[in-house]
Amino acid sequence: GENVEQHPSTLSVQEGDSAVIKCTYSDSASNYFPWYKQELGKGPQLIIDIRSNVGEKKDQRIAVTLNKTAKHFSLHITETQPEDSAVYFCAASLSGTYKYIFGTGTRLKVLA
Amino acid sequence: KAGVTQTPRYLIKTRGQQVTLSCSPISGHRSVSWYQQTPGQGLQFLFEYFSETQRNKGNFPGRFSGRQFSNSRSEMNVSTLELGDSALYLCASSVRDRGQGANVLTFGAGSRLTVL
Repeated sequence: GENVEQHPSTLSVQEGDSAVIKCTYSDSASNYFPWYKQELGKGPQLIIDIRSNVGEKKDQRIAVTLNKTAKHFSLHITETQPEDSAVYFCAASLSGTYKYIFGTGTRLKVLA
Repeated sequence: KAGVTQTPRYLIKTRGQQVTLSCSPISGHRSVSWYQQTPGQGLQFLFEYFSETQRNKGNFPGRFSGRQFSNSRSEMNVSTLELGDSALYLCASSVRDRGQGANVLTFGAGSRLTVL
């Protein structure tokens, strides 16, 4: 069935370092890949997304890359700050279905 | 612009009871989806409603149901509650069009249900 694997489950980095979270999806028909940040007591917040017709997208310190052939996509956060500490989820969706398959989440800790 | 509003934020029920959760989408958003979030299973899709019709459904038992009203507000109901239903229930809304907003979900803060 549809599945999204996410690694690592926890990640600790020093402030100012980069963080990379990787996801692999199973359904080759997926064509929309969002990343969400969830802070304690809050709902997931969209931080960046990418569609299958694009290989890379960047927004300030955050970037996402997509390899459709390998069915991999990754989140890159540069110059990490303590406020980046949260749980990050990747997801895959088939455009028009509005059904997201989420990864299991990565708890990122940025150490000051 | 107000975000997605979910009520109640917290509730405690006992096994066998039923519960109704409410979601008001962002103004102009016509699609509402529901997700269950648990530490063990992560975020799992329950169902999606658009124009008062269920468009897609996840792999949950029939005890989980929902509906959408003409103003796009949605409710979900869980009957005969079980201990395993304890979770954060998240509602998300979308414009559901073919533009850049397609597929983009905005989540609410969730309703945390505890079943004793």
